[in-house]
Amino acid sequence: AQSVTQLDSQVPVFEEAPVELRCNYSSSVSVYLFWYVQYPNQGLQLLLKYLSGSTLVKGINGFEAEFNKSQTSFHLRKPSVHISDTAEYFCAVSGQKGYSTLTFGKGTMLLVSP
Amino acid sequence: DARVTQTPRHKVTEMGQEVTMRCQPILGHNTVFWYRQTMMQGLELLAYFRNRAPLDDSGMPKDRFSAEMPDATLATLKIQPSEPRDSAVYFCASGPEAHYGYTFGSGTRLTVV
Repeated sequence: AQSVTQLDSQVPVFEEAPVELRCNYSSSVSVYLFWYVQYPNQGLQLLLKYLSGSTLVKGINGFEAEFNKSQTSFHLRKPSVHISDTAEYFCAVSGQKGYSTLTFGKGTMLLVSP
Repeated sequence: DARVTQTPRHKVTEMGQEVTMRCQPILGHNTVFWYRQTMMQGLELLAYFRNRAPLDDSGMPKDRFSAEMPDATLATLKIQPSEPRDSAVYFCASGPEAHYGYTFGSGTRLTVV
């Protein structure tokens, strides 16, 4: 079984500032890692994913995330945020073997203000 | 872009009534999920189908919830009888395999009064 912890429920930040949203996971097996974004009244949209290989993965909208196996973390970063990045961000994990479901963290609300 | 279609988008119903939510997964996707989202619990997995066969519905209250895939183009989630605590947003997602990530629908916002 896997679990995901998103340490911050809300992250307020000013426009054009950098941001990091933290995610730690727990699993007894090898995993795939994902970040999803949810805009108000919408479904979840895949931002980026880590499957294997380079630990730094780039996604849409200028976001990137770094996989750290020793710290079991997969933090999401953006060097300069926009007002339009205001949304809820979910970290998720799935096992690599067999029939794997997605286990989500509780989400982090990113609030970007002018 | 291909998308997962959920109907209805919003549903308000009285306690005790039957509610049916529908999902049309993306053509060719053989894996379909139902998730429930609430403020308190976040995203919870309710049911999981692969090639139309139910693989895991352990997250679903069995006495009132049921999930089916009558064909490859339709997944349904039914609640009978509905209760106020079922009020939530219900999402359907589909995908080919785990490492592709999954595509989510826009959700059905259910309010039981």
